[in-house]
Amino acid sequence: EAQVTQNPRYLITVTGKKLTVTCSQNMNHEYMSWYRQDPGLGLRQIYYSMNVEVTDKGDVPEGYKVSRKEKRNFPLILESPSPNQTSLYFCASSIGTSGKQFFGPGTRLTVL
Amino acid sequence: GEDVEQSLFLSVREGDSSVINCTYTDSSSTYLYWYKQEPGAGLQLLTYIFSNMDMKQDQRLTVLLNKKDKHLSLRIADTQTGDSAIYFCAESRDNYGQNFVFGPGTRLSVLP
Repeated sequence: EAQVTQNPRYLITVTGKKLTVTCSQNMNHEYMSWYRQDPGLGLRQIYYSMNVEVTDKGDVPEGYKVSRKEKRNFPLILESPSPNQTSLYFCASSIGTSGKQFFGPGTRLTVL
Repeated sequence: GEDVEQSLFLSVREGDSSVINCTYTDSSSTYLYWYKQEPGAGLQLLTYIFSNMDMKQDQRLTVLLNKKDKHLSLRIADTQTGDSAIYFCAESRDNYGQNFVFGPGTRLSVLP
């Protein structure tokens, strides 16, 4: 089954404790993105990647890191999480330049 | 401004038509999209339209684009309870279909 998977689905952590949210796709898509969703703000793009070793900042990259060492994986790293990073995070992938994205199920992160 | 705007709520009766409106900001956007998010799920692409089109129809969905006013609308004919969800308008701001800006989402409630 073609899909985008994220792990973990739920995470509660404390301020300053480094964490990684994994994202993997099995569709051989070149493009992958990370978003955060907050009430009333819709989705805001954090980072995106157009291919292995190529990443670009979206609208809200501060406090986040990403890497794209393999085509299928695009982990999101929070080196020192803060409470304002409490949010619902989505990973997405797409092929070509049409921008038709496939989304993962989401990761709900709470930073205390 | 920088934002993609949508009204936050819409209620319709089952069987009626729903019209969800969106205003976007970047006149150079190549593609404009409508995504649907059901409760507890990720987003799924409903439809998209090229910026050189005025209208696109896909079964019960009709997308209208007014480039002059930067206005996009999604009409759902014969709205069903299964259409209850949050609908996001989105635009891509680069030529690769990767740098996205989403609206805040319109929560559609379908009343029996």
